Amino acid sequence: DAGVIQSPRHEVTEMGQEVTLRCKPISGHDYLFWYRQTMMRGLELLIYFNNNVPIDDSGMPEDRFSAKMPNASFSTLKIQPSEPRDSAVYFCASSPREGQGWGYTFGSGTRLTVV
Amino acid sequence: SQQGEEDPQALSIQEGENATMNCSYKTSINNLQWYRQNSGRGLVHLILIRSNEREKHSGRLRVTLDTSKKSSSLLITASRAADTASYFCASSGNTPLVFGKGTRLSVIA
Repeated sequence: DAGVIQSPRHEVTEMGQEVTLRCKPISGHDYLFWYRQTMMRGLELLIYFNNNVPIDDSGMPEDRFSAKMPNASFSTLKIQPSEPRDSAVYFCASSPREGQGWGYTFGSGTRLTVV
Repeated sequence: SQQGEEDPQALSIQEGENATMNCSYKTSINNLQWYRQNSGRGLVHLILIRSNEREKHSGRLRVTLDTSKKSSSLLITASRAADTASYFCASSGNTPLVFGKGTRLSVIA
C-alpha cells in the first residue's frame, strides 16, 4: 500500500480564497482523522470519520471549515474563506480501529500558507 | 483536555549516548503511543504500550508506563544521527489520539 496520500503538499493562497485539501486513506482503514499542526498549538484534532460518517467535528475551529468523506477512499477538508491564521500543516491519518490499540498512519501533510 | 506534555522540549546529545524523553497525561487511558516526526514529514508510529503493561521494548526503543503517575518515558539507546527528529507521545482513551507538543531531539555525530 502507498500509505496515506495527501494533496497538495504545499498550498499558498490569498486571504478570502477557498482552499481544498485532499486525502486518500489506506484501503481497509475504517477511521480517518484530520489534524492541524502549528508551533503554538501543536497537533490539534479537527474532525474524524468512522466508515465515512463524521463522528466528532468539535475541533473544527469555525464554520469556515468543513470536511467530507463521500466514500471510503477519499476525504476533503475545505476552508472558505481562508484567513492568514489558518496557515498551518494539515495532516490526514487513518487507522483500522479506534480505542483498540491500533496506531495511526499519517500522510505527509499539506503545508498551507494564507497571505 | 487529555493533552499530554513531553519533557524536555528539546534535547541535544552525542551519537552513541542514550536519549530519554518523558510524557505526562491527564486522564485515564487505554494505551499510550509514541510517534516520530522528521522535519517536513508526517508522524510515524513507533510503539504502543497498553494501560496494563509497564514496559515494552522494540529494537533500540524502550517505553515505560506508570498509570499511577500518569506518565510514560521513551528511551532510545545508542542514538544515531538518523534519530534526530521530534518525538510525540499520544494518549488514547475512548476518543482519538491526543498529542503532546513533542520533544525535539538532536543527535550530534
